[in-house]
Amino acid sequence: SQTIHQWPATLVQPVGSPLSLECTVEGTSNPNLYWYRQAAGRGLQLLFYSVGIGQISSEVPQNLSASRPQDRQFILSSKKLLLSDSGFYLCAWNREGNEQFFGPGTRLTVL
Amino acid sequence: EDQVTQSPEALRLQEGESSSLNCSYTVSGLRGLFWYRQDPGKGPEFLFTLYSAGEEKEKERLKATLTKKESFLHITAPKPEDSATYLCAVQGNMLTFGGGTRLMVKP
Repeated sequence: SQTIHQWPATLVQPVGSPLSLECTVEGTSNPNLYWYRQAAGRGLQLLFYSVGIGQISSEVPQNLSASRPQDRQFILSSKKLLLSDSGFYLCAWNREGNEQFFGPGTRLTVL
Repeated sequence: EDQVTQSPEALRLQEGESSSLNCSYTVSGLRGLFWYRQDPGKGPEFLFTLYSAGEEKEKERLKATLTKKESFLHITAPKPEDSATYLCAVQGNMLTFGGGTRLMVKP
């Protein structure tokens, strides 16, 4: 069966510090991968998606970037965090056109 | 632009009191409508996929239905453990989520 992991689970970072969140998927190959951000009490906002190694599409211009160095690894990064980057970050995967499956999430607080 | 609106934003029920959650959508070329359950501090858990008007799916106390403009998630005789936020999403060119309905079931 497929599983999706995210780490860290929680993170508290000062403004201006760098960020690296990691997502890995097990039990499948060549998945589509997604990064979402969920603000408190709100829906999910798609940040990036990837259909293959090195292929990244950005949905929203922002302070963040994404990379996919391996088939089942997706990384979300920032060089300098802003207060507005605080939120709940979710990684998801799917096969083309099918339902997405989500990881456990990372709670990021920028102070 | 694809849009998804969920109502109500919050719903309080007594245990055993059946009700429905609404998901209204506009999308160019619906390729699927998905329902998820999300517990506080966790990632969404997949519940159902619906593809065409008239389709219905059931799982325990939950039943999802789909029309050309909206979907309903019916909850029959809910229990406190059904308390969660329920998210609806439509697949057009991309997956678009609604804001969710926070369901609270009191014993």
